[in-house]
Amino acid sequence: DAKTTQPPSMDCAEGRAANLPCNHSTISGNEYVYWYRQIHSQGPQYIIHGLKNNETNEMASLIITEDRKSSTLILPHATLRDTAVYYCIVRVAHTGNQFYFGTGTSLTVIP
Amino acid sequence: GAGVSQSPSNKVTEKGKDVELRCDPISGHTALYWYRQSLGQGLEFLIYFQGNSAPDKSGLPSDRFSAERTGGSVSTLTIQRTQQEDSAVYLCASSLGAGGLAFFGQGTRLTVV
Repeated sequence: DAKTTQPPSMDCAEGRAANLPCNHSTISGNEYVYWYRQIHSQGPQYIIHGLKNNETNEMASLIITEDRKSSTLILPHATLRDTAVYYCIVRVAHTGNQFYFGTGTSLTVIP
Repeated sequence: GAGVSQSPSNKVTEKGKDVELRCDPISGHTALYWYRQSLGQGLEFLIYFQGNSAPDKSGLPSDRFSAERTGGSVSTLTIQRTQQEDSAVYLCASSLGAGGLAFFGQGTRLTVV
């Protein structure tokens, strides 16, 4: 079962930062936080992942709280193409098997 | 190929027929996953293959569902005696190894009429 809790939907104005929260209060010490997104009618796309330090790549930033019980995915300048369902997943890296996808957050970027 | 390839992209079948869905993972990826996604729903795990280990079949919903992975590469998901509730998008993903990042294909949309 999914070990994360996300709001079902969010809106964001185009050009503004989109901040997507995720609660994972039961996360274990060896579990990473992964973010994927699914644009309508496409397969899920990897965005970013991290263990405890904040991470940044060309797509997004991931902020993980010090106690690791929650995290926030930040899309710094949202575009209409960022409209998608965003999934937060916790999983053991290197030895883990399946990814548990919850219901995710449906982000709508508004012009 | 550069990514995970699934075929066919769309399949319409009559209730009671058997179907086979194919997945070509990224070359060199030892782990392969099958998921399905019903309309408006999240992803439901079906089965996981990793190298020569016994597959994790814990997500298969019934004995009508089976999957094989031959030669550690191509995988086939078979659904026997299809039912209308089997209608969904079936997604395949692969990763470099156990616990690696999963890369998804575009899915096969199965419609049972």
